[in-house]
Amino acid sequence: GENVEQHPSTLSVQEGDSAVIKCTYSDSASNYFPWYKQELGKRPQLIIDIRSNVGEKKDQRIAVTLNKTAKHFSLHITETQPEDSAVYFCAASRADKLIFGTGTRLQVFP
Amino acid sequence: SAVISQKPSRDICQRGTSLTIQCQVDSQVTMMFWYRQQPGQSLTLIATANQGSEATYESGFVIDKFPISRPNLTFSTLTVSNMSPEDSSIYLCSVDAGLKRTQYFGPGTRLLVL
Repeated sequence: GENVEQHPSTLSVQEGDSAVIKCTYSDSASNYFPWYKQELGKRPQLIIDIRSNVGEKKDQRIAVTLNKTAKHFSLHITETQPEDSAVYFCAASRADKLIFGTGTRLQVFP
Repeated sequence: SAVISQKPSRDICQRGTSLTIQCQVDSQVTMMFWYRQQPGQSLTLIATANQGSEATYESGFVIDKFPISRPNLTFSTLTVSNMSPEDSSIYLCSVDAGLKRTQYFGPGTRLLVL
């Protein structure tokens, strides 16, 4: 079955810097890759997703890139702000179910 | 996106008892899922709740421990049976609310088993 690895497990950046989180997946048939942000005590919220027919997608300060050949995808957050502090999860999907990475705790220091 | 609610939001239970968690969506959805999130951990899929048929369980999860109902396209329940402290976790339902296969999560149920 699908296995998703996520790195780093923790990431600390200064406000205004960029943050990059990387994930690799094992099932070459996976074709949908969402990213979720989970603030403390709250539900995971979808922030961006990408499908296997595109290599990059942007939404304001966040972007996701996908390399199907290498089976990895990354989340890029530019101009980080303290409110970006949260746990971020990547996921991969082939059919309907999502397999999640282990999560990255991002801390943005003012 | 769909509006998803869960009941209860939290509970404290004694070992050996069972708890049923409800998930309600404000619109009809094809797919509903149940996840477990242990403290400080990622989300693990328990099962897919199928409308009109038995749920599809992931490896490591069995129907006797986590019976699931899906009586219609807007509602599902997950029961955590014969609980032990290891079942202390957050249980979340999610729905696939559109054509794009995007999943949205309910607010979760925090369960503590003593």
